[in-house]
Amino acid sequence: GNSVTQMEGPVTLSEEAFLTINCTYTATGYPSLFWYVQYPGEGLQLLLKATKADDKGSNKGFEATYRKETTSFHLEKGSVQVSDSAVYFCALSDLADSGYALNFGKGTSLLVTP
Amino acid sequence: GAGVSQSPSNKVTEKGKDVELRCDPISGHTALYWYRQSLGQGLEFLIYFQGNSAPDKSGLPSDRFSAERTGGSVSTLTIQRTQQEDSAVYLCASSLEPNTEAFFGQGTRLTVV
Repeated sequence: GNSVTQMEGPVTLSEEAFLTINCTYTATGYPSLFWYVQYPGEGLQLLLKATKADDKGSNKGFEATYRKETTSFHLEKGSVQVSDSAVYFCALSDLADSGYALNFGKGTSLLVTP
Repeated sequence: GAGVSQSPSNKVTEKGKDVELRCDPISGHTALYWYRQSLGQGLEFLIYFQGNSAPDKSGLPSDRFSAERTGGSVSTLTIQRTQQEDSAVYLCASSLEPNTEAFFGQGTRLTVV
């Protein structure tokens, strides 16, 4: 079956540092890939998505590129802010495996310090 | 409604009791998902409803768990004979169509004592 693996946290960075959160996946079909974010005390919300190979999703300064050859969808941001502190979840949906039900990784906690 | 609404927000129940968790999805959304979030365990898929199709129940952890979606709208997740390991945050999400952005509710925090 499908699965998502993302790097263990917590990740602690200073403000303006470069961020990478690794995410790799296993899928039987042609999945769509997502990053969701959960800010403290809030519900999950979509950060960005990519639906096919080589697509780049971007939002709020975050980017992730759908790499089929490496089965990866790493999240990056050039300069993080304190307000980016949150838990980040990589996810996929694949009609071939789960009828589009989202399959999430375990989440990576990010703490950005001033 | 403006977003996905879940009730109650918190539920404390005694071991062995049954509980019902409610989810009101965004109006017009055809897809509805239930997930369980345990500390350090990420999001565990439970069940997925899509339109009038038979639900995907492959994530339900035991036969004590069941869910229904009435009239293609409101969904209820029922846990019978609750156990302490059922303690978690239960999240509901809906999306307009399959494979589009899922909007999550704030969750129901269930504590079994």
